[in-house]
Amino acid sequence: EVQLVESGGGLVQPGGSLRLSCAASGFTFSSHWMTWVRQAPGKGLEWVANIKEDGSEKYYMDSVKGRFTISRDNAKNSLYLEMNSLRAEDTAMYYCAQGRVMFDPWGQGTLVTVSS
Amino acid sequence: DIQMTQSPSSLSASVGDRVTITCRASQGISKWLAWYQQKPEKAPKSLIYGASSLESGVPSRFSGSGSGTEFTLTISSLQPEDFATYYCQQYYTYPLTFGGGTKVEIK
Repeated sequence: EVQLVESGGGLVQPGGSLRLSCAASGFTFSSHWMTWVRQAPGKGLEWVANIKEDGSEKYYMDSVKGRFTISRDNAKNSLYLEMNSLRAEDTAMYYCAQGRVMFDPWGQGTLVTVSS
Repeated sequence: DIQMTQSPSSLSASVGDRVTITCRASQGISKWLAWYQQKPEKAPKSLIYGASSLESGVPSRFSGSGSGTEFTLTISSLQPEDFATYYCQQYYTYPLTFGGGTKVEIK
């Protein structure tokens, strides 16, 4: 069974940093693009970033470029999102998902709250 | 960026009803459109890709249609487990963008 488990969320002050992780199992992780999607409380879905199988290509939404970095460790079957200079508007549930432009399956999410 | 507009934003329907949700793109996206279902406090689940292709395991009461700028998701006979929020998403170009969602509630 394909499983994606996010971790690393929490409460952080504006301007702070956080590193999210997504542990993958049940499929050949190194053969799939991976993606981060977020959802602010009570709001809709927002694509954040994705990364190619070997990490050679990465794409970001404009508002996180220069602040967030997506990466992966295929030996550890893990996906990461390094988030710096966090803002209140980054507060959201962050989901990792399998896929480049269509996403299935998704993890259960990890909540990031940016507040003083 | 391509804007995806869903209508209605919410609807009330009864079990057995036929439900149609519309998604409009601000520019043509051919058939590069996916639909997702999200239940409260759960992660989204993929339903349809390529505007009309059903993901494996998705009941046949779900169907998608459209191309270019206008798309629809239809549930032919609403079941209790279908009460959820539905999102469309374009993957024609970056940034990948979602519609605002349509919440299907019990009448």
